[in-house]
Amino acid sequence: EAGVAQSPRYKIIEKRQSVAFWCNPISGHATLYWYQQILGQGPKLLIQFQNNGVVDDSQLPKDRFSAERLKGVDSTLKIQPAKLEDSAVYLCASSSLGGGRSSYEQYFGPGTRLTVT
Amino acid sequence: AQSVAQPEDQVNVAEGNPLTVKCTYSVSGNPYLFWYVQYPNRGLQFLLKYITGDNLVKGSYGFEAEFNKSQTSFHLKKPSALVSDSALYFCAVRGAGSARQLTFGSGTQLTVLP
Repeated sequence: EAGVAQSPRYKIIEKRQSVAFWCNPISGHATLYWYQQILGQGPKLLIQFQNNGVVDDSQLPKDRFSAERLKGVDSTLKIQPAKLEDSAVYLCASSSLGGGRSSYEQYFGPGTRLTVT
Repeated sequence: AQSVAQPEDQVNVAEGNPLTVKCTYSVSGNPYLFWYVQYPNRGLQFLLKYITGDNLVKGSYGFEAEFNKSQTSFHLKKPSALVSDSALYFCAVRGAGSARQLTFGSGTQLTVLP
């Protein structure tokens, strides 16, 4: 089974520029998550989708961050304009919606390391 | 609000010795508890979880964890550490019910010395 795919793996931009990250979840997984992991900290949830609807975006800085999941499969996360404090690893994860115990397990992609200079 | 505490930033253990990585949590209602491991430049990998049932949970790579409700703890353990176990370990909690978010601890760097 293919895992969660993310691209790019690394991105360096200047502050005030824009950037986009792409995620392809595990096939059949209805729930998709975007996390921000700042160096030395645990991942923090930014947004959670179930199919193509937003379930939780309470910690997404909506003045600069946006995300979409068209057709309930792939997702993109965008930052515009970027700030220095946005430097972090952006992780995408997915989980199934079967209702069984496995639906609580989230599977993570390799992440995109963003450096804002 | 739910939270997770991993009191040790760094744990060092000699190869072959038992290891413990500590985790305590705070959540409303029954907790769902998880351990993930992160290797350099890679995403998090699921190790094990506690949802209900037996307080001792067994997971991947010989790891296990014990749920202790009275102490609100979920420590990760392994009887005999390997050098290849060296990595960053994260404990996470979510409340019962649908659409509850996962809250992670700050991580513990485990180093197994040969």
